[in-house]
Parts: sequence; C-alpha cells; structure tokens
Amino acid sequence: GQNIDQPTEMTATEGAIVQINCTYQTSGFNGLFWYQQHAGEAPTFLSYNVLDGLEEKGRFSSFLSRSKGYSYLLLKELQMKDSASYLCAVLPIFGKGTTLSVSS
Amino acid sequence: DGGITQSPKYLFRKEGQNVTLSCEQNLNHDAMYWYRQDPGQGLRLIYYSQIVNDFQKGDIAEGYSVSREKKESFPLTVTSAQKNPTAFYLCASSIVAGEGYEQYFGPGTRLTVT
Repeated sequence: GQNIDQPTEMTATEGAIVQINCTYQTSGFNGLFWYQQHAGEAPTFLSYNVLDGLEEKGRFSSFLSRSKGYSYLLLKELQMKDSASYLCAVLPIFGKGTTLSVSS
Repeated sequence: DGGITQSPKYLFRKEGQNVTLSCEQNLNHDAMYWYRQDPGQGLRLIYYSQIVNDFQKGDIAEGYSVSREKKESFPLTVTSAQKNPTAFYLCASSIVAGEGYEQYFGPGTRLTVT
C-alpha cells in the first residue's frame, strides 16, 4: 500500500527552528513535495526534492533521502505567520499534515 | 491572471440531493484533481484526469462522479450515495500528471449536507 507519515502536531516559539519529519512508502516516486496550508485556505507549494540532499529556500529548507524514504522540512527564524499545517506529498498522495503552532 | 477557480466557496444541501462542484482553470494544464479534506485527515484523492475525456478513480471515489469534456473544466458531482459528504473539497491542476510537476490548488468549496 501507499503511506505517508508525519507528526500530527508540533509547537515552537518565535525565532526558533523546527524540523517536521515525513516518511513515505509509495508505489511510484516523482519527487517529494511540501505544501503549507493555513486554516480554511488552499495549500500552497513550499518545496520540491527529487534528488537526495538539502534544498534551501530562504527560511525554509527541505531534505530528502530516497533510500530511507525520508524527508524533513526545516523552518528557521519562526514567525507567528508560520502557524499552519504542513503537508508532505508524493503526488498525488498527501500525508495527513502537521499542524505547527508558533507562540510568542 | 492565471489560476484555478472553484465556486461557490460555501454550499449547503439537503441529504439525498446530488450537488455539483465547479472547478475551472486557465493555466492550460492537462491534469486536474479533486481532493476531499476532513479535520485530521489531510487530503484524500477522489478522482483525477490526465487528459480531456479521461479520468481515473482515486482512493475514495465511491459516491462521486466527474466529467472532463473540456481541458479547463473538471466538475465533481457528490451524489446521494456518498455517506458522509460534508467536507472541504479542493480542486487542483498540474501541467501533466506525475513527472515532478507541482499541483496548484483552487480556493476550495466547503460543502455542508444536513
């Protein structure tokens, strides 16, 4: 079967760093996507990894290990507006999302 | 402005009625998708279409139907056979299916059936 696992909830404080992990077992693989979704809104694209290693994009970085079926999203210098759900996906399959709460 | 539109944003129906949710894109994308989102469930794939006049079932297709008569349109019908239709429905599109192309999402339709 196909399965994508990520933690349900995480909390952090403003200015901190948080790492959201994702493990996947899928029948096909065309890359690992991360999306951000604020409550009641549509998901928006954050990052894409198809090769092993780290991709950095401003405050956000994403890592992939294909041999381990593992990815993480790293958020630095957290801001209140980063409070959202973060979805890991091997399209068109999504994980259940990790709800991140950032407090001051 | 290119994008995906879904209307209406909120939709209310009585149990036993069929309802059709619209999804239109002007991105010239070949692939389109319908997802359902329930609290704590993430996005679950209902149907997807890789090209006009062709579509495939996703993980939870029972009680739903779709059509793809035009490239830019992919309406979803929630039939009375769907046991728990109340949910947030998201439509998405991508240049083509697979091959590492990201999906772009519409704003969603929140359907409430009572």
